[in-house]
Amino acid sequence: QSALTQPASVSGSPGQSITISCTGTSSDVGGYNYVSWYQQHPGKAPKLMIYDVSNRPSGVSNRFSGSKSGNTASLTISGLQAEDEADYYCSSYTSSSTLFVFGTGTKVTVL
Amino acid sequence: QVQLQESGPGLVKPSGTLSLTCAVSGGSISSSNWWSWVRQPPGKGLEWIGEIYHSGSTNYNPSLKSRVTISVDKSKNQFSLKLSSVTAADTAVYYCARRGYDYIWGSYRYYFDYWGQGTLVTVSS
Repeated sequence: QSALTQPASVSGSPGQSITISCTGTSSDVGGYNYVSWYQQHPGKAPKLMIYDVSNRPSGVSNRFSGSKSGNTASLTISGLQAEDEADYYCSSYTSSSTLFVFGTGTKVTVL
Repeated sequence: QVQLQESGPGLVKPSGTLSLTCAVSGGSISSSNWWSWVRQPPGKGLEWIGEIYHSGSTNYNPSLKSRVTISVDKSKNQFSLKLSSVTAADTAVYYCARRGYDYIWGSYRYYFDYWGQGTLVTVSS
């Protein structure tokens, strides 16, 4: 099972919107609405930001939103803030015996 | 608020066995959740290792299955990871995590809603 494909880095200025893509296959991202997104600051544990493609857990800012089209899921951060600078990972259920697959990770830089 | 805390040796010799424990507080390990281990090599991405239910049922990543054992101790409200025949490639931060459960629909979810802070395990002689 290969990792889901994400861009290595994305950057934006404060207040702007950025979008991170996460590309998989019909066996994972495209086949199920079980895509989740995690934010990870340096030296910290991942934090759940989006689950089931587009749902936000309680306490997560509504500046974070998720969507999916075909085999590609996306995380959009609007009104970019300095505190959003972190690594972001997507994850999906997969029908392979691996059960869970993570993305390659994207470093978000706030200029 | 559920909290997870990993513990175990930070240094393991090559060919040895890595052993970690995850203590769960603020909730019961016998709840309707699966409990996972996820690892992250330095500077790299996340890799799911496997999971356990309080009944003892397990699911493992096929790439590690031959070397991994995950067990649960309900009396101590904790679960454990053993990874045998380790090499330098197993050097990573190891996280324990809880898989979500939807109490309204009564279904297991495919995301991790609570994580431990992680513990670095280095494989070196």
